[in-house]
Amino acid sequence: DAGITQSPRHKVTETGTPVTLRCHQTENHRYMYWYRQDPGHGLRLIHYSYGVKDTDKGEVSDGYSVSRSKTEDFLLTLESATSSQTSVYFCAIKFSSYNEQFFGPGTRLTVL
Amino acid sequence: DQQVKQNSPSLSVQEGRISILNCDYTNSMFDYFLWYKKYPAEGPTFLISISSIKDKNEDGRFTVFLNKSAKHLSLHIVPSQPGDSAVYFCAASGGTQGGSEKLVFGKGTKLTVNP
Repeated sequence: DAGITQSPRHKVTETGTPVTLRCHQTENHRYMYWYRQDPGHGLRLIHYSYGVKDTDKGEVSDGYSVSRSKTEDFLLTLESATSSQTSVYFCAIKFSSYNEQFFGPGTRLTVL
Repeated sequence: DQQVKQNSPSLSVQEGRISILNCDYTNSMFDYFLWYKKYPAEGPTFLISISSIKDKNEDGRFTVFLNKSAKHLSLHIVPSQPGDSAVYFCAASGGTQGGSEKLVFGKGTKLTVNP
């Protein structure tokens, strides 16, 4: 257990509404990540953070923004949700000295 | 362009037999490879990894083999158990784009172990 929680665990929302997903870690890891998992696509990186206020884009960042104002929290925001953003979202953390990432339990988001 | 490929979407084996999951990569700069296991409604869990300086790494029933010249790695599970039924993701890191900070994942292989 890498001490990662995600909230909410499930959310149903309407097209055009803003949505924020939260990832919280308890162990002060420098690196945090947001992925989405879709059938036939595996895990795709949306954004990641390498420190407070330090973030960078992944391969599927369009339509998403992130913020990290403190070490333990990494927020993913969909400014105006679309049906194509219906997915399962996973947060992950990485120990600085290692390549392995450890994942949270996921958030299932449905955009109607 | 897909840098990490798992060409078999699914695999079915009998309990007690060997499961072999395959993964190919295209980026020769990758220098670290990982396997993750994922059960439904849970996050992926790290299983085993291998550095490019090795060609084999073993952990209990799980062994990962790396063939750098062929840009191919495989995960062997011996003996397979019904609890091994899950989706397995191959991942790679390294190179000039993000180095060890980022992982590139394959699309996954769903393993079913039949009792």
